Amino acid sequence: AQKITQTQPGMFVQEKEAVTLDCTYDTSDPSYGLFWYKQPSSGEMIFLIYQGSYDQQNATEGRYSLNFQKARKSANLVISASQLGDSAMYFCAMREGGNKLVFGAGTILRVKS
Amino acid sequence: GAGVSQTPSNKVTEKGKYVELRCDPISGHTALYWYRQSLGQGPEFLIYFQGTGAADDSGLPNDRFFAVRPEGSVSTLKIQRTERGDSAVYLCASSLIGGKRELFFGEGSRLTVL
Repeated sequence: AQKITQTQPGMFVQEKEAVTLDCTYDTSDPSYGLFWYKQPSSGEMIFLIYQGSYDQQNATEGRYSLNFQKARKSANLVISASQLGDSAMYFCAMREGGNKLVFGAGTILRVKS
Repeated sequence: GAGVSQTPSNKVTEKGKYVELRCDPISGHTALYWYRQSLGQGPEFLIYFQGTGAADDSGLPNDRFFAVRPEGSVSTLKIQRTERGDSAVYLCASSLIGGKRELFFGEGSRLTVL
């Protein structure tokens, strides 16, 4: 069974607008962490934001926020005021119990000027 | 350097050959991970080290793949009798053990098996 599901293979957003990238996860472990990474065309993986399963508030990091809905097992990434440099592949990932991160298939985001 | 360093950045080899990929993690990071990423897909977990020992090697696809970290720092991923299907970008990452333990990735080693 897929642990991390990203249903949007590709997304377009107009520059300066907000965009939401979807992520749902599957776990029976009460303790887990959710991560979002950005991978530009250059290939490096850049950590964006983290949400712990026991965190009461949604995580925010600058223009990035995580819409964490625990009952729905979703952890959507919201990027506000999109910039051309936000064009990249975005991966949702989860760590449960142990230490490895399991990644989703990713969503390609294209920001239009 | 301050980040995770991987060598070589590119490796082209022939089917059946032996390949070694090296990873030098961030100083002080006890945890080290190897992932494989095929074009257009997410990183696929291979193996995780905590210190010198492999804490989880459940992602290694078969016995042609092996990884070591003898002194708890640099790690080498070894692939024997390479096959064309092994062609991918091999990513190494390291992390601390405490806190959110986000992974810091290297730039990857692109392996092409002809």
